[in-house]
Amino acid sequence: GDSVTQMEGPVTLSEEAFLTINCTYTATGYPSLFWYVQYPGEGLQLLLKATKADDKGSNKGFEATYRKETTSFHLEKGSVQVSDSAVYFCALRLIQGAQKLVFGQGTRLTINP
Amino acid sequence: ETGVTQTPRHLVMGMTNKKSLKCEQHLGHNAMYWYKQSAKKPLELMFVYNFKEQTENNSVPSRFSPECPNSSHLFLHLHTLQPEDSALYLCASSPTDTFTDTQYFGPGTRLTVL
Repeated sequence: GDSVTQMEGPVTLSEEAFLTINCTYTATGYPSLFWYVQYPGEGLQLLLKATKADDKGSNKGFEATYRKETTSFHLEKGSVQVSDSAVYFCALRLIQGAQKLVFGQGTRLTINP
Repeated sequence: ETGVTQTPRHLVMGMTNKKSLKCEQHLGHNAMYWYKQSAKKPLELMFVYNFKEQTENNSVPSRFSPECPNSSHLFLHLHTLQPEDSALYLCASSPTDTFTDTQYFGPGTRLTVL
């Protein structure tokens, strides 16, 4: 079935470090891909999205490129801040079939000053 | 008030109680969703409503009963829950249920079943 696999956390980095959180997916069609972020005590917020191959989503210094050939949507940021500490979820949504988001298990990121 | 709001933010209930979770969106969207977020598990979609009609029930036990009286409000009625139902319940909305539409999430209701 359709699924999303994220790198296991928790991930701990120092401020200003480079961040990569890996995400790969399995889907029967051509999905839209999303990264959501959940700050402590809050609901999910959309961070960025891409709806077709080779699209790059970007927001708040984060980027992710839709790679159809490797079925990946890795999240990157060049210089992280303490305020980026949160749980990050990769998700896909299909054109056809059930109109739902399929989420990865989430990756907890902690940034130390 | 803007965005997606959920009440209550925290709820503790016994297994024999009946309670309801409320979600309201102020975004003019037509699709609304209930998700369950349990510890160490991916978010699970429970229900989808589009223009007040339920379009998906993801094999959710009948002790969870959704209600969507209009496109702005979504309820989740709870009765005779089990301790394993303790989780964060998230509501979301989107303009329609089209796959490219972004879903906007509320802050969630943290439910504890004793």
